[in-house]
Amino acid sequence: QKEVEQNSGPLSVPEGAIASLNCTYSDRGSQSFFWYRQYSGKSPELIMSIYSNGDKEDGRFTAQLNKASQYVSLLIRDSQPSDSATYLCAPWGGFTGGGNKLTFGTGTQLKVEL
Amino acid sequence: EPEVTQTPSHQVTQMGQEVILRCVPISNHLYFYWYRQILGQKVEFLVSFYNNEISEKSEIFDDQFSVERPDGSNFTLKIRSTKLEDSAMYFCASSRGQGNQPQHFGDGTRLSIL
Repeated sequence: QKEVEQNSGPLSVPEGAIASLNCTYSDRGSQSFFWYRQYSGKSPELIMSIYSNGDKEDGRFTAQLNKASQYVSLLIRDSQPSDSATYLCAPWGGFTGGGNKLTFGTGTQLKVEL
Repeated sequence: EPEVTQTPSHQVTQMGQEVILRCVPISNHLYFYWYRQILGQKVEFLVSFYNNEISEKSEIFDDQFSVERPDGSNFTLKIRSTKLEDSAMYFCASSRGQGNQPQHFGDGTRLSIL
């Protein structure tokens, strides 16, 4: 059973601070990693993808990947109240076992406080 | 920016009735998916579809479920005889390709079984 673990939170940070969201995964064959943001009652919205070890930056977002440790994280700089949402980690497990499905974690609820 | 569109946004149905959820994937995408999210739980994979056939399905996707691409634009999920436990948000997603190609989600259909 492929598992994706995230701290459910809530993670509370003050406005302007850095929010750090973490995710561990069990499937060593995972090749691509996606971060989605989900507002309450809404659909997942893609915000970042990362495929190689190291850091990838896109605006205020930085994704970090360490395949040896089976760990992926998302940093949000200068957090805004509009960043308050649940952040979902979704590894893609590769072609082994077939298919193209994403396995989602439970998500971390982020609250950015004024 | 192209979007995945889903209709209806909310469907209320009596237990035992058939429902069809509709999706229009992004036009140049080749891979299509259905996911569901029961209130307060993870987003769960149901089925993926490519080249007019199912490429993978989960244990949830039993004989009560079917998918179809009846024309060049629509992608449907049918539940033949609904149960109370089918109540959930159903998300359609599409991607241009496999693996590194991210999946883009529609706004979802909230299915309520009475």
